[in-house]
Amino acid sequence: AQSVTQLGSHVSVSEGALVLLRCNYSSSVPPYLFWYVQYPNQGLQLLLKYTSAATLVKGINGFEAEFKKSETSFHLTKPSAHMSDAAEYFCAVQIPGRRALTFGSGTRLQVQP
Amino acid sequence: NAGVTQTPKFQVLKTGQSMTLQCAQDMNHNSMYWYRQDPGMGLRLIYYSASEGTTDKGEVPNGYNVSRLNKREFSLRLESAAPSQTSVYFCASSERVAGSPGELFFGEGSRLTVL
Repeated sequence: AQSVTQLGSHVSVSEGALVLLRCNYSSSVPPYLFWYVQYPNQGLQLLLKYTSAATLVKGINGFEAEFKKSETSFHLTKPSAHMSDAAEYFCAVQIPGRRALTFGSGTRLQVQP
Repeated sequence: NAGVTQTPKFQVLKTGQSMTLQCAQDMNHNSMYWYRQDPGMGLRLIYYSASEGTTDKGEVPNGYNVSRLNKREFSLRLESAAPSQTSVYFCASSERVAGSPGELFFGEGSRLTVL
């Protein structure tokens, strides 16, 4: 079985500040890991994914995440927040070979001017 | 370039009524999914269809049925709606790439309220 824990349901940063959204996972086998973003009244879209190649994964809109096996973490970062980054972010885990993803409960990012 | 299209976008039902949520994708994907999204709980998988002609239960299938009508369409039916089924429902599709997980493409969601 696999699970995902996102620490902090709400995160607020100032425009230009570092964004750090935390995700820890549990999996019986080496997993695939994902970050999805959801803008208001829209479906989710993929930001980035980890598939056991490079541990530092770069995604769209300047986001990146680092897979740390020893910490079972896959935190999402962006060096400088932009107002347009305000959204809800979901971490997800998938067991290789299985279809379904398991999502975390989400973190809502607020960016203050 | 529609991607994944869900109908209706909004629906209000009374307890005990039935309804079907429709989903269609134009990306020729083999796999389709239905998720529900509730505050503080993220997305939970209701049912999925790995390919045309197959369906499987997800994490929260009780009270729902699905039909994979053809490769494009995957519908979700509530036979007797309950207030606990008030939620936002998302349809998604994906295509597996050899050695790598396929990206999920989501529709815009269907907001269902059961009174």
